[in-house]
Amino acid sequence: EAGVAQSPRYKIIEKRQSVAFWCNPISGHATLYWYQQILGQGPKLLIQFQNNGVVDDSQLPKDRFSAERLKGVDSTLKIQPAKLEDSAVYLCASSTPPSAGGGYTFGSGTRLTVV
Amino acid sequence: KNQVEQSPQSLIILEGKNCTLQCNYTVSPFSNLRWYKQDTGRGPVSLTIMTFSENTKSNGRYTATLDADTKQSSLHITASQLSDSASYICVVSWANQAGTALIFGKGTTLSVSS
Repeated sequence: EAGVAQSPRYKIIEKRQSVAFWCNPISGHATLYWYQQILGQGPKLLIQFQNNGVVDDSQLPKDRFSAERLKGVDSTLKIQPAKLEDSAVYLCASSTPPSAGGGYTFGSGTRLTVV
Repeated sequence: KNQVEQSPQSLIILEGKNCTLQCNYTVSPFSNLRWYKQDTGRGPVSLTIMTFSENTKSNGRYTATLDADTKQSSLHITASQLSDSASYICVVSWANQAGTALIFGKGTTLSVSS
C-alpha cells in the first residue's frame, strides 16, 4: 500500500513570500489532516478534512494560511505571506473512519524554513 | 482541557540498555492511545495502538502498557540499539463527527550511544 505522499520535502523562502505544499493521501482515506510541527514540539493540528469538506480548522491562522481539498483526494496548504515563526515541518496525514479501525498514516512532511 | 504530558523530555542511554518512557493524559472521551517513533526530518511512524480495554501491546523490542484508570501509559524499549535514537510521541485519540482527532504529547527525545 502506498503511503501518504507530500511535496516538496524542503522549502526555503524569504519572509512575506508565498508557499504551497501538496499532499496525496492513501487511496480510500476520506479524512485528511494538516499538522504544523515546530522543532522540539509535537504536531499541532491545522485543519481536518472529511472528503472535500472542512471538519476542524479552529487552529488555522486564517489571515495567512489556507487549505483546500477540492476533489476530496489531494490537498494543498498555502501560506501567504510567510512569517519567520512559520518555520516548521508541515505534516499531512490521512485516516480511515473509526468503524474501519481508525488507521492513521503520516507523510514524511515538508520542512519549511523562512528567512 | 485535553492534554497529553510525557516524561522525561530527553533521555540518554547506552546501547543495549533498557528504558521506559512515560505518558499521562487527560483526554476524554478516550478512544485509543498510540506511540509513535519520529526520526529527525521524517513523519511519525506508528509503533503501537491500544484501546481502552488493552493493558499491554508489543511490537518487537517495544512494549507499551496502558492503565486507563489512572490515565497513564508507558513505552518500554528493550536492548536498545543506535537506531532507536529518535523522538517518541504519545498520542491519544478521540472520535469526532468525521473521524479521529489526535492530541499529541511533546515527545521524549531518546539518544542511544555506543
